[in-house]
Amino acid sequence: QVQLVQSGAEVKKPGASVKVSCKASGYTFTSYGITWVRQAPGQGLEWMGWISAYNGNTNYAQKLQGRVTMTTDTSTSTAYMELRSLRSDDTAVYYCAKRGSAGFYFDYWGQGTLVTVSS
Amino acid sequence: SYELTQPLSVSVALGQTARITCGGNNIGSTNVHWYQQKPGQAPVLVIYRDTNRPSGIPERFSGSNSGNTATLTISRAQAGDEADYYCQVWDSITVLFGGGTKLTVL
Repeated sequence: QVQLVQSGAEVKKPGASVKVSCKASGYTFTSYGITWVRQAPGQGLEWMGWISAYNGNTNYAQKLQGRVTMTTDTSTSTAYMELRSLRSDDTAVYYCAKRGSAGFYFDYWGQGTLVTVSS
Repeated sequence: SYELTQPLSVSVALGQTARITCGGNNIGSTNVHWYQQKPGQAPVLVIYRDTNRPSGIPERFSGSNSGNTATLTISRAQAGDEADYYCQVWDSITVLFGGGTKLTVL
């Protein structure tokens, strides 16, 4: 069965960077893109960007341009999201999700990774 | 920029029908997807491409999309349907989520 397993919770200081991993299994990793979505405490879902697991092409939300980098390692079927220059309002649960086969929706999600930014 | 508008909250009596709307300019011309999120859990896809249910999602969940409004309909609402629901579209460049609707089953 399809599974996306994310790395554990992180606590970072303002100005630092964080890198979250998302290990996929149960499907051909290079056949579907991975998107990243975050959710601040008590807030809604915010799309961060996506990466093609086939060729590494990326598309980032304008708000995060310059601070976020998404990559994949096809040898381990793992996607990564790095966010730099962290601020307190980056405190959120970060999710990876697999793109569906019939459109731009997300049919499987990771369990989420809590990133706390605090001095 | 394109925006998706959802009511903050919807209430439904146990066993009745709940309808959650997602408004957007000419949203009927694009595909809308719906997610259910329970507290402390990751979102779950419940409807994709307006009307399609992933395997494992009960037939009680259905969707429609026309004009400026997409609708998620939950028939015979159960206590377990209490959750936040989000609509989502692909805007040719970016992914957009609605603000979310909290469904309360009374």
